[in-house]
Amino acid sequence: KNEVEQSPQNLTAQEGEFITINCSYSVGISALHWLQQHPGGGIVSLFMLSSGKKKHGRLIATINIQEKHSSLHITASHPRDSAVYICAFRGASGSRLTFGEGTQLTVNP
Amino acid sequence: DAGVIQSPRHEVTEMGQEVTLRCKPISGHDYLFWYRQTMMRGLELLIYFNNNVPIDDSGMPEDRFSAKMPNASFSTLKIQPSEPRDSAVYFCASSSNIHAFSYNEQFFGPGTRLTVL
Repeated sequence: KNEVEQSPQNLTAQEGEFITINCSYSVGISALHWLQQHPGGGIVSLFMLSSGKKKHGRLIATINIQEKHSSLHITASHPRDSAVYICAFRGASGSRLTFGEGTQLTVNP
Repeated sequence: DAGVIQSPRHEVTEMGQEVTLRCKPISGHDYLFWYRQTMMRGLELLIYFNNNVPIDDSGMPEDRFSAKMPNASFSTLKIQPSEPRDSAVYFCASSSNIHAFSYNEQFFGPGTRLTVL
């Protein structure tokens, strides 16, 4: 079983819809990252969080440490949000990241 | 700051050849990471350095892979001899020192797309 699992693997939405991507992990962590990989391949770090919720523009990330679960929400989705969204966690010790397989999001106009 | 710089951006080589990928981390960052991304396995950590010292190389696939960080501003990932299954995008990332009660993000380079024929 993978230490981190994302769902769904693929998601297609219409512009304006509210998007939720989920990430579950099975070990103790010190931090969880959400990354965005553009169609061209570049990777951008969106959020790093260890508790509660963070918000940046239309993006919201939440984490529930007890349930070992995090969600990434996109409000008022737009075609430019189309990308692969990857969650990754940093273990309780050390600084290496373990990555989920990613969620391919396509937002149609 | 220009961000993490990787070179080359694309590399096409023949099986058996030596391949060297290069990375310049963000100035002042103490951690440097090498990742590999393939369709089959997604993103994988290969090795990371702290203050130029390799800390965890358990992700390095086999002895054909080696990584060095001779100084704080430069790292190489070498594959010798290369094989077709090494074809992937190799990302370098850097981050600043991680203290006990604060966490810092990793900044990724643009990646090197390696194709081994």
